[in-house]
Amino acid sequence: DAGVIQSPRHEVTEMGQEVTLRCKPISGHNSLFWYRQTMMRGLELLIYFNNNVPIDDSGMPEDRFSAKMPNASFSTLKIQPSEPRDSAVYFCASSPGQGVHEQYFGPGTRLTVT
Amino acid sequence: GEDVEQSLFLSVREGDSSVINCTYTDSSSTYLYWYKQEPGAGLQLLTYIFSNMDMKQDQRLTVLLNKKDKHLSLRIADTQTGDSAIYFCAESLFGNTPLVFGKGTRLSVIA
Repeated sequence: DAGVIQSPRHEVTEMGQEVTLRCKPISGHNSLFWYRQTMMRGLELLIYFNNNVPIDDSGMPEDRFSAKMPNASFSTLKIQPSEPRDSAVYFCASSPGQGVHEQYFGPGTRLTVT
Repeated sequence: GEDVEQSLFLSVREGDSSVINCTYTDSSSTYLYWYKQEPGAGLQLLTYIFSNMDMKQDQRLTVLLNKKDKHLSLRIADTQTGDSAIYFCAESLFGNTPLVFGKGTRLSVIA
């Protein structure tokens, strides 16, 4: 299995630009999570989906952030407009659900907003 | 609210055992996890334990859980330089619910 796939691996953009991060979960996994990692705040949940349905988006910082999961094999996290404080590593993770308790992480997208 | 605490740094000599400690506050946590993160990489799941267990062993890794004190530890036997990384403790209510992470413990292994 290829594992969780994220793209791009690195993104550098200017303040005010739109940024779209992409995630392909492991095939057959029913749950998908977006986390953000910063030095100051560590790893935090942004949003998660079960069976493509958003369950909890209380971690999304502001309306500038939005996430979608149009099908079981793809999710996007969009920031519009981006700000320097959005600079972080964004991780996507997936979990099989159905009594299986592991979450598997992608390699992350390192976002730098200048 | 949920909170997970870890010490930030640990330094050990190669061949010694490492013990990384973690405390959590949410008594309803059902699953407790240890993840490893190497520089520039994602998080690798090392092991997890159900809250109704006291201990779990997997090769060089031993997890101990004291549910009364809400204390979790990860012991790495015969620590190698390749074990140098940041180790995160995390808790969740169910397997498909979000993880709450500690800040991570940076393990340095001295040759």
